[in-house]
Amino acid sequence: DIQMTQSPSSLSASVGDRVTVTCRASQNIIIYLNWYQQKPGRAPKLLIYEASNLQSGVPSRFSGSGSGTDFTLTISSLQPEDFGTYYCQQAAISPFTFGPGTKVDLK
Amino acid sequence: DVQLVETGGGVVRPGGSLRLSCAASGFIFDENSMHWVRQVPGKGLEWVALISWDGNTTYYVDSVKGRFTISRDNSKNSLYLEMNSLRTEDTAFYYCIKGREKYSWKAYFHYWGQGTQVTVSS
Repeated sequence: DIQMTQSPSSLSASVGDRVTVTCRASQNIIIYLNWYQQKPGRAPKLLIYEASNLQSGVPSRFSGSGSGTDFTLTISSLQPEDFGTYYCQQAAISPFTFGPGTKVDLK
Repeated sequence: DVQLVETGGGVVRPGGSLRLSCAASGFIFDENSMHWVRQVPGKGLEWVALISWDGNTTYYVDSVKGRFTISRDNSKNSLYLEMNSLRTEDTAFYYCIKGREKYSWKAYFHYWGQGTQVTVSS
């Protein structure tokens, strides 16, 4: 199975900060990497698919990059509604594994 | 609007069975692959199973192979997860998910239901 790791596991940032979350796959997944946001008590929400494609309706301050084994989710200017946990997920090979999550708190 | 409504969760003893159902609306059901993903409260996410749009292809995570069966009834716009030989480690919140793309197995989890809790405990 492909193992997914994320860093950091948690972070605190201020409104307006640029925030970066990294995700690493244990083997080459080309660009088959998705990012999700989950808020407490809610189902996850798809933000980015295929590493860099913004899902319709997601604010443009979210962006994704990377290929192969190393990927990045960036929030260009953190907003109060961006708190939550962010997960990466590989869609290259079954089983479709998730990273452990990065919890983003607002300072 | 796309809606996915899961039912069938509950408390069951180890070795028992449950059948989860997911009622879908707001899209053409037989055009999309469907998935089940589970989450232990406060913990991470685990993909469980996939079924293709026509029901002919299924995939499972190893930990549920031989115990869980994913199926669908396109005439009823419904997805199912039959869970047998349940273990305590199957305790989780189970989400029904619509794949993002039509006629594709791509595991892009686009729309999620609200989930249903399964608790396996003696």
